[in-house]
Amino acid sequence: QKEVEQNSGPLSVPEGAIASLNCTYSDRGSQSFFWYRQYSGKSPELIMSIYSNGDKEDGRFTAQLNKASQYVSLLIRDSQPSDSATYLCAGTSYTGGFKTIFGAGTRLFVKA
Amino acid sequence: ETGVTQSPTHLIKTRGQQVTLRCSSQSGHNTVSWYQQALGQGPQFIFQYYREEENGRGNFPPRFSGLQFPNYSSELNVNALELDDSALYLCASSLVSSGRGEQYFGPGTRLTVT
Repeated sequence: QKEVEQNSGPLSVPEGAIASLNCTYSDRGSQSFFWYRQYSGKSPELIMSIYSNGDKEDGRFTAQLNKASQYVSLLIRDSQPSDSATYLCAGTSYTGGFKTIFGAGTRLFVKA
Repeated sequence: ETGVTQSPTHLIKTRGQQVTLRCSSQSGHNTVSWYQQALGQGPQFIFQYYREEENGRGNFPPRFSGLQFPNYSSELNVNALELDDSALYLCASSLVSSGRGEQYFGPGTRLTVT
């Protein structure tokens, strides 16, 4: 059973639209959550972190966390073609040793 | 500020051989984690090193081992290479005292096992 699940996509949105990316996790011990962006052939780049329930906004990005539902999401407003990439959701737990689990990623395609 | 660096960029090995990959953490960071990323998959956590000791480990066999040095740089060693070990190996550094676990990745080492 996968511990972090994401829709593999591809998710296709027109330029200027809102892209909504979702992630669920099974480890209730996870305390920190992250969204990474990965362009083809490149390494993951951290774009958002969230630690408590609610919303966190940073520029065009908003991360949402609901620990009761074990759900994390990322909204990208005013999507640009340069946002086309794979978005990875990750959760970190510290019980019994440090562990970070990544989802398989959602491919986002923003059409100009 | 210096980012995370890894060497080599690419590597080709034969099944059964051993390999060592290297990582220098971002300046000011004291923790290094290693990941294996197969094509089309998310990174899989191998282990983390803090204060030169293994601080957490994922579901990888003992032939995957590591070291962290006093300057916080790190090595990943893989013995008895198997074809399935072919992947992108990523190193990520973080500042454990921040308590937040934000990790920053290096460019990766592409390992091909033939």
